[in-house]
Amino acid sequence: DTGVSQDPRHKITKRGQNVTFRCDPISEHNRLYWYRQTLGQGPEFLTYFQNEAQLEKSRLLSDRFSAERPKGSFSTLEIQRTEQGDSAMYLCASSFIGRARGYEQYFGPGTRLTVT
Amino acid sequence: EDKVVQSPLSLVVHEGDTVTLNCSYEVTNFRSLLWYKQEKKAPTFLFMLTSSGIEKKSGRLSSILDKKELFSILNITATQTGDSAIYLCAVEAGGQAGTALIFGKGTTLSVSS
Repeated sequence: DTGVSQDPRHKITKRGQNVTFRCDPISEHNRLYWYRQTLGQGPEFLTYFQNEAQLEKSRLLSDRFSAERPKGSFSTLEIQRTEQGDSAMYLCASSFIGRARGYEQYFGPGTRLTVT
Repeated sequence: EDKVVQSPLSLVVHEGDTVTLNCSYEVTNFRSLLWYKQEKKAPTFLFMLTSSGIEKKSGRLSSILDKKELFSILNITATQTGDSAIYLCAVEAGGQAGTALIFGKGTTLSVSS
């Protein structure tokens, strides 16, 4: 399968615990995005990387959230001291940005986080 | 503030009907508009539109963009139960080579047999 993959697919954690999610983008894609989606809403942007550089972070991304893409390939999203409001589907997407144009983003299956 | 508004929020039709989904937007530095289909999993890409008036078509689905009036429509003809899903409209806006997508809330389409 050459699509975007995410791991784990589901995570249940207790309030106050730390969690880490992983995203493996499509191999030739140089951009990687993280989104969060709650019920009845479209995905909301959290942050994105071009290669290993984190170029933008949303105001939604509190200090408890950190993302990395150390070698410009896979990325991790960590949430520290989880709160019930963090319960959501965390989506990763990747795309290719060339000199002339950008291309569509392809999404992974998501990680559904439930904080109890 | 950039925003994308979809209408209707939900729609129930019978198999064989034709539906039109609407998406209007207000963003700075528009780059492209995308349509995605979301069943109980991640969004899957349908269309990317960058130019006004050029229809994109894939089977029974088609879409067109009006950059003057700032909207797009997604048409589905001869609907099937497998078309039941949430249809998301997203706009890419911003500086060099674009940035993240701004999504609408989606239109939930239910097709009954």
